Amino acid sequence: AQSVTQLGSHVSVSEGALVLLRCNYSSSVPPYLFWYVQYPNQGLQLLLKYTSAATLVKGINGFEAEFKKSETSFHLTKPSAHMSDAAEYFCAVSLHGSGNTGKLIFGQGTTLQVKP
Amino acid sequence: NAGVTQTPKFQVLKTGQSMTLQCAQDMNHNSMYWYRQDPGMGLRLIYYSASEGTTDKGEVPNGYNVSRLNKREFSLRLESAAPSQTSVYFCASSSGTGGLVDTQYFGPGTRLTVL
Repeated sequence: AQSVTQLGSHVSVSEGALVLLRCNYSSSVPPYLFWYVQYPNQGLQLLLKYTSAATLVKGINGFEAEFKKSETSFHLTKPSAHMSDAAEYFCAVSLHGSGNTGKLIFGQGTTLQVKP
Repeated sequence: NAGVTQTPKFQVLKTGQSMTLQCAQDMNHNSMYWYRQDPGMGLRLIYYSASEGTTDKGEVPNGYNVSRLNKREFSLRLESAAPSQTSVYFCASSSGTGGLVDTQYFGPGTRLTVL
């Protein structure tokens, strides 16, 4: 079975500080991983995705994530937090298997608070 | 280009009432999805439609039915609402051609309260 676990339901950083949101996956097959962001009262939008082309993936708004097979991790980082980064962030994995193409399993979500 | 639209934005129902949540996309996508979002549980897939005329159960289908009316529209019906169905419901779509790396595009959500 495939799953993702996000460590920390709530992360608080100061403006200008490093953002690190943690995601670990469990998968017996090569995983395809996503980070989505949800701003208050909006739907989710894609930040970035890992497609096995490169282990370091760059996304929108200065975010990036590194796929580490040895650690089964896909942590999301941003060097310098901005107030506009305050949102909920979801890690997700694509489900393998016949009939599952396109289906995602989401983590529990991490709320990022940015303090002035 | 509106992307994915959902109606209504908010709804309050009494236990036992029925309602249909509407979703439409204008991106010519093949696949469409219904999720529910509950605090601390992320998003859970209710139903999925890989293409017009096909639907499939997701992780939490009990108490719901869906209809893929045409390529653009995918509706979710609650036949007899229960308080446990109080949630935020999201519709999403994807091209259906990207396989395991397909990007899903989400609507703004419907906030449903069942009293």
